[in-house]
Amino acid sequence: DVKVTQSSRYLVKRTGEKVFLECVQDMDHENMFWYRQDPGLGLRLIYFSYDVKMKEKGDIPEGYSVSREKKERFSLILESASTNQTSMYLCASSSTGQPQHFGDGTRLSIL
Amino acid sequence: QQQVKQSPQSLIVQKGGISIINCAYENTAFDYFPWYQQFPGKGPALLIAIRPDVSEKKEGRFTISFNKSAKQFSLHIMDSQPGDSATYFCAASIGGSNYKLTFGKGTLLTVNP
Repeated sequence: DVKVTQSSRYLVKRTGEKVFLECVQDMDHENMFWYRQDPGLGLRLIYFSYDVKMKEKGDIPEGYSVSREKKERFSLILESASTNQTSMYLCASSSTGQPQHFGDGTRLSIL
Repeated sequence: QQQVKQSPQSLIVQKGGISIINCAYENTAFDYFPWYQQFPGKGPALLIAIRPDVSEKKEGRFTISFNKSAKQFSLHIMDSQPGDSATYFCAASIGGSNYKLTFGKGTLLTVNP
C-alpha cells in the first residue's frame, strides 16, 4: 500500500520564520506535489517535481520554494512565513500514468 | 480564473437516496477527470476517474457521467450511506493523472441515517 508521510500533523510558527514541511513516500514514485487546502477554495497546487532536483511552479508558488534532493523526499519551504500562509498543506506522489496518493496533511498556523 | 466549477457547496441526503455532485470545466485540453473523497483528518483519496472517450463509468455505487459537448461531468452516489459522508472534490488534468490536477472547491456531503 502506498504511504505518503508528512512529518508533522500540526505546526505553529511565528511570522518571519523560515518553515520547512517534509514529505516522504515509500513507493519510488517519480512525481511529487505540494498543495494547500483552504475552506471554500479547494486544493491549489503550489509546486511539483517530476524527478530529483527538478521542480515546476504550480498555480500559487509565491512565497514558497521546494527542494527534492532524494527521490523519496520533497520539502516545502516558506522563506519568511506570513499569516496568510496559515493553511492545511497536503503532499502527494504518483508514478507515471497512475493516480496521485495524498498524505494526511500538515495544519500550519502562523502567528 | 477558476477552471473547474463544482456545485453544490454542501449537500444533505437521506440514507438510501441518490447524491449528485456536478462539475463544469472550461479548458478543452483537459483529458482526465478524477473524483477524490476526503474524510476529516485525512488526505483526499481517489474514488473514481474517467477519460473523455467514454460517457459513463461505474464502480459499485459510484458513477461518473461525462458530457464532453457541455464540458460537464458529475458524480452520482446511489443508495447513499452515512459512511459516505465526506468532502468530495472533482478535478481535471492534461496529460493524465501524473500531471498537475486542477481541483474544484469541494462539496461537503452529509448522509443522514
